[in-house]
Amino acid sequence: DARVTQTPRHKVTEMGQEVTMRCQPILGHNTVFWYRQTMMQGLELLAYFRNRAPLDDSGMPKDRFSAEMPDATLATLKIQPSEPRDSAVYFCASGRDLSTDTQYFGPGTRLTVL
Amino acid sequence: AQSVTQLGSHVSVSEGALVLLRCNYSSSVPPYLFWYVQYPNQGLQLLLKYTSAATLVKGINGFEAEFKKSETSFHLTKPSAHMSDAAEYFCAVTGTSYDKVIFGPGTSLSVIP
Repeated sequence: DARVTQTPRHKVTEMGQEVTMRCQPILGHNTVFWYRQTMMQGLELLAYFRNRAPLDDSGMPKDRFSAEMPDATLATLKIQPSEPRDSAVYFCASGRDLSTDTQYFGPGTRLTVL
Repeated sequence: AQSVTQLGSHVSVSEGALVLLRCNYSSSVPPYLFWYVQYPNQGLQLLLKYTSAATLVKGINGFEAEFKKSETSFHLTKPSAHMSDAAEYFCAVTGTSYDKVIFGPGTSLSVIP
């Protein structure tokens, strides 16, 4: 059963530290999405890629967040420096096409910034 | 602009009772619509989707949804609730360029024994 994998599953860090979250999309999927989920804001789209090219990252705080796809099997989301308000669950999802296809979500990275 | 509203952030039903979760959308283009479910400590998974074919869409776990263009609605139903249906349910609509999906705020479903 093909699945999206995310590492780490949990991360506790101190304010000001760099955080890197990794995602391995399902083999053959050409779109990757990064979401953030909090109780207050719900599910927010941060950025998405098609064929490794970033299509939109307008949902991300530009000064501290960055998203990349170094290759087709790896997507990364970095926060530098991290702040307590970044505490959330970060999900990666992949799909075969843009919005018309099913998105397959990973299990998420639960980030706590102290 | 595309948007989704879900009436009721929390819904409680008795086991065996009808489940009805409401979703209304706003779209300036013919929409594709989705329902996703999120179980505790897991990612979202697709329940069903409408992609301009049949207006009544059947999904997994006995759920179905009906696309009603005149009402701009896509409500999710299940005839008989099971304890395992307790989860968060998200309705979603495609963006205007069909490049992304806009998720609603979610409805938390509780099933009472």
